Amino acid sequence: DVVMTQSPLSLPVALGQPASISCRSSQSLLHSDGTTYLSWFQQRPGQSPRRLFYNVSKRDSGVPDRFSGSGSGTDFTLKISRVEAEDVGVYYCFQITHWPRTFGQGTKVEIK
Amino acid sequence: EVQLVESGGGLVQPGGSLRLSCAASGFSFSNYWMNWVRQAPGKGLVWVSHIDSDGTNTNYADSVKGRFTISRDNAKNTLYLQMNSLRVEDTAVYYCARDGSGPFDLWGQGTLVTVSS
Repeated sequence: DVVMTQSPLSLPVALGQPASISCRSSQSLLHSDGTTYLSWFQQRPGQSPRRLFYNVSKRDSGVPDRFSGSGSGTDFTLKISRVEAEDVGVYYCFQITHWPRTFGQGTKVEIK
Repeated sequence: EVQLVESGGGLVQPGGSLRLSCAASGFSFSNYWMNWVRQAPGKGLVWVSHIDSDGTNTNYADSVKGRFTISRDNAKNTLYLQMNSLRVEDTAVYYCARDGSGPFDLWGQGTLVTVSS
C-alpha cells in the first residue's frame, strides 16, 4: 500500500501568518495516464470533511485563494498564505493513483 | 439540493451485522462512482470501499475484505454497506462520498457505528 506521510502533525499558527503542510508518498503518484491523483481535504471540528484540491492543484469551488496546492511525484504541499480563524481543523492528503486509496494521518491546524 | 444522507448506524455486539444506507439526491446517482470512508473516534480518515457506477466493480480495504460488502440500487438512488462479523475496531463514523470531478467531491454527514458488548 502507498503510505502517505504528513508533517507536521500539529501546526499552531498565529492569525494572519502563513502555514505549510507537507505530504510525502511512499511511491510516485504520477499515474500512467499522466495525471497525479493527489487531493487535500479539510475537516473542521464537528463537520464532515470537505475537499479543497484534487489532481494536486485544482481548487474546488468556494475554496479561498489563500489556499494553494502544489507538488509532484512523491512530494506535495498545502499552503495557507494568511491563516484565518475559520481555517482551524484537520487537513488530510489523499491519493487514488494506486489501490487501495490512502489518506495521510492528518495535520491539526490551530490558532496560536 | 445535492446531498448524501447516511443512515443505519447504531450499537451492535462483536460478531454482529449491520447494513448502512446512503440516500443520494439532487444529482444523477447512477452516473457516479461511490465510496465509504470511516473515522474512528478521535482518529483520521480511512477509505473503506468503492463501487463503480453500475455496481460491476468493487474494491475494499484489507481490513474489511471478506466481511463488508458494498452495493448500490440505482433505481432507489441508494448506496449500501453490509457489515458482517463486526469487530470492536470497526467502531467509527461511516461516511459515504461521491467520486465526481475527482475523488470525494461530495460527502454525507456520517452515521456512527459502535461495536461493543
